Amino acid sequence: GAVVSQHPSRVICKSGTSVKIECRSLDFQATTMFWYRQFPKQSLMLMATSNEGSKATYEQGVEKDKFLINHASLTLSTLTVTSAHPEDSSFYICSASARSGANVLTFGAGSRLTVL
Amino acid sequence: QQQVKQSPQSLIVQKGGISIINCAYENTAFDYFPWYQQFPGKGPALLIAIRPDVSEKKEGRFTISFNKSAKQFSLHIMDSQPGDSATYFCAASSGGGGNKLTFGTGTQLKVEL
Repeated sequence: GAVVSQHPSRVICKSGTSVKIECRSLDFQATTMFWYRQFPKQSLMLMATSNEGSKATYEQGVEKDKFLINHASLTLSTLTVTSAHPEDSSFYICSASARSGANVLTFGAGSRLTVL
Repeated sequence: QQQVKQSPQSLIVQKGGISIINCAYENTAFDYFPWYQQFPGKGPALLIAIRPDVSEKKEGRFTISFNKSAKQFSLHIMDSQPGDSATYFCAASSGGGGNKLTFGTGTQLKVEL
């Protein structure tokens, strides 16, 4: 089945630094990847839609300069949290849609970011 | 984002019982309704999904009931087991299952022995 890998699974950083999270589709080509953010005991909120080879589309209220998304290949999308602050601490989850085949989203295991 | 309302927020069921979680949506353009199961510290995993051309879908112990006119759908977990204890999210999307999902608020299910 389709597998989406996220790395790192956990990251702790100091306030003001930048952190990059990778999302890879391991056994399929992903035309589109989605980035979600989840606070403790809350739902998943869509941050942005990432299409291979083009600029990401951000949801209303999400700072594009704060959360940089790059989708340079059909198997890799990255989310960079720039100048991180404690309020950016959250669980970030990516999902990918296959280029062909079953029209289903596959989610990664998530990345827990803690900003000190 | 268009809302998907989910209830209850939490649910306690005895082992062997039936767990029922309900969702309601507003956007009539939605045409794909999945349910996800999430364990602490993990990403959501697809349980079962339905499209609006059918009123019910069953896979093992999991059943989705769909009421298009009421814009509601529900998840039934038969013979609930302690291993089913997790958070469940309903979701909806338009244009098929590969498009962005709008999630419900989640239901924390606990199955007691």
